[in-house]
Order: sequence, then structure tokens, then C-alpha cells
Amino acid sequence: DAGVTQSPTHLIKTRGQQVTLRCSPKSGHDTVSWYQQALGQGPQFIFQYYEEEERQRGNFPDRFSGHQFPNYSSELNVNALLLGDSALYLCASSLAGPREQYFGPGTRLTVT
Amino acid sequence: AQSVTQLDSQVPVFEEAPVELRCNYSSSVSVYLFWYVQYPNQGLQLLLKYLSGSTLVKGINGFEAEFNKSQTSFHLRKPSVHISDTAEYFCAVSDLLMVWDDMRFGAGTRLTVKP
Repeated sequence: DAGVTQSPTHLIKTRGQQVTLRCSPKSGHDTVSWYQQALGQGPQFIFQYYEEEERQRGNFPDRFSGHQFPNYSSELNVNALLLGDSALYLCASSLAGPREQYFGPGTRLTVT
Repeated sequence: AQSVTQLDSQVPVFEEAPVELRCNYSSSVSVYLFWYVQYPNQGLQLLLKYLSGSTLVKGINGFEAEFNKSQTSFHLRKPSVHISDTAEYFCAVSDLLMVWDDMRFGAGTRLTVKP
């Protein structure tokens, strides 16, 4: 049973560019959440998708957007990258509702 | 909204000694509680969860946690740690009553097990 997968593993971008990160949920899961984890900190919730709609959003600017596809996979897009966007981006999947979430290995984004 | 405080940022301990990682939460409603572990350069792995029922919860790798509603705490314990337990540990909380809820994490506790 494949767990949560994310791509790419690492990414280096220049300030002002745009980036797209991808996530495939654990088999049987229909809900995908995205988190940003800065160095030395706990994960911060960005948003959650269910049935291709954003259902909940954390305190992140509109530069952060997402999408969920009919097969439940998801993308996270960040526009106009800032140095402060450098972080580990984690995708988590679950069944709908406040349940345990299963995390992928993350994408390490470095903005120079 | 709920929040989580992990009282110790770093906990050094010798191999085979017991350990307790402390977690307090604040919420005006009933909650689900979780402990996750993160090994270097990896994602988060679920250690254990409290959803309802017995307040003593057993997880993987010999860890357990006790939910204390009156003290709003969910401390993680292990009676005898191994070198391989060295990792970052995160406590997290979700609102029981919300359909769409953001899971809130603490800042983490770095457990270092020394030989």
C-alpha cells in the first residue's frame, strides 16, 4: 500500500519565481492538507482540499494556492517567491474530518 | 482556536533511561490529540492518537501518552529509550466538532538519546 508521495524532493528557485509542488495521497484517502515547516519549527497549516475544493485555510497570503484533482492528488502553487518561503513543504492525506493525517516525505524548497 | 505548547525544546537523556515529553493544549472545545515523530530529512510519522475512550493511549515503538482533560495535557512517555529514538517529536491537536479543521502543531521537542 503506497503511502503519501511528494515530488520533487528538492527544489531551488530564485526570488520572484513561481513553483508547483505535487502530492499523491495514501490509497483510500480523499482529503489533502498542505503544511509549511520552517527550519526548527513545527508544521504550519496552509490549506486543506476535499472534493476538489479548498475547505479550510490557514494564515497564508493569496500567493499560496492549490488544486485537487478528481483522483485526489493535489498541487501547491506559490507565486512571487520570497526568501522567507524557503521551507520543507509537507503534504498530508486523511479521510474527511478531524482525523489523523498521514504525511509524505516533504519537498525542500530553497529560495535564493 | 486551539493551540499547543510543548514545554521543552530539547530533552537529552541516556540510553535505557525513561523519558517524558510534555505537551499542553488550549481549546474551548473537545479535541483530538496526536503525537508525531520526525527523523532527520523525513516527513512526520504518527506515533499515537487520542480520539476518545481510555485516557492512556499506547502507540508504536513502545511510546504511550496520557490524556488529562483537567490539566489539558497530553504527555508522551517511554520507559526505556534507545539511540534510535533520537528525533524531533511534535504534539498536535484538532477540533473534535469541526468538519474542516486545521491541525495545530507545537514547536517540537528534540529528543537526543546518548549512549
